[in-house]
Amino acid sequence: KAGVTQTPRYLIKTRGQQVTLSCSPISGHRSVSWYQQTPGQGLQFLFEYFSETQRNKGNFPGRFSGRQFSNSRSEMNVSTLELGDSALYLCASSVVGTAAYEQYFGPGTRLTVT
Amino acid sequence: AQSVAQPEDQVNVAEGNPLTVKCTYSVSGNPYLFWYVQYPNRGLQFLLKYITGDNLVKGSYGFEAEFNKSQTSFHLKKPSALVSDSALYFCAVTILGGGGADGLTFGKGTHLIIQP
Repeated sequence: KAGVTQTPRYLIKTRGQQVTLSCSPISGHRSVSWYQQTPGQGLQFLFEYFSETQRNKGNFPGRFSGRQFSNSRSEMNVSTLELGDSALYLCASSVVGTAAYEQYFGPGTRLTVT
Repeated sequence: AQSVAQPEDQVNVAEGNPLTVKCTYSVSGNPYLFWYVQYPNRGLQFLLKYITGDNLVKGSYGFEAEFNKSQTSFHLKKPSALVSDSALYFCAVTILGGGGADGLTFGKGTHLIIQP
């Protein structure tokens, strides 16, 4: 069974631009979560989608948004990029959207904002 | 609010020796606890989890963890370390929220270095 895939793997953007990251979950997984990983703040939860609905959101500004499609694939969008948005963005999928089920992570998208 | 503390930034262990990576947590309610490992330029890989039941949980690659409710700890252990165990280890906690999953709250991570 294929794992979680994320595209692109690397991205360089300029301040003020916007970016869209994509995540394809493991087949059969309906829950997709997004995390931001930085050296200073560590891993932080962004949001979680289940059956095309955002069910949970971390403490991030409204510039960070996402959506999920009917095939469970998810996209994350960051508008008006800031230097501090440079990070590794990780997507994770789970069979169902409950905390008891482990999440499977993709390799991440490395975003650099210049 | 939930939180996780990994008090050691780095743990050094000689190959063949037992290893322990420490984790303490704080939640309001019953915790669901996880350990993940991250290799360079890779995503996180699930190692093990505690939901309920036996306090000693066994996971992948010979790792195990012991849930201690009174000490609010969930330390990761392995009886005999391998050089290939060298990686970044994360402890994470969550609780089941109303109506759906809460995001995982991660610790800062502990670099485990196994010396040959």
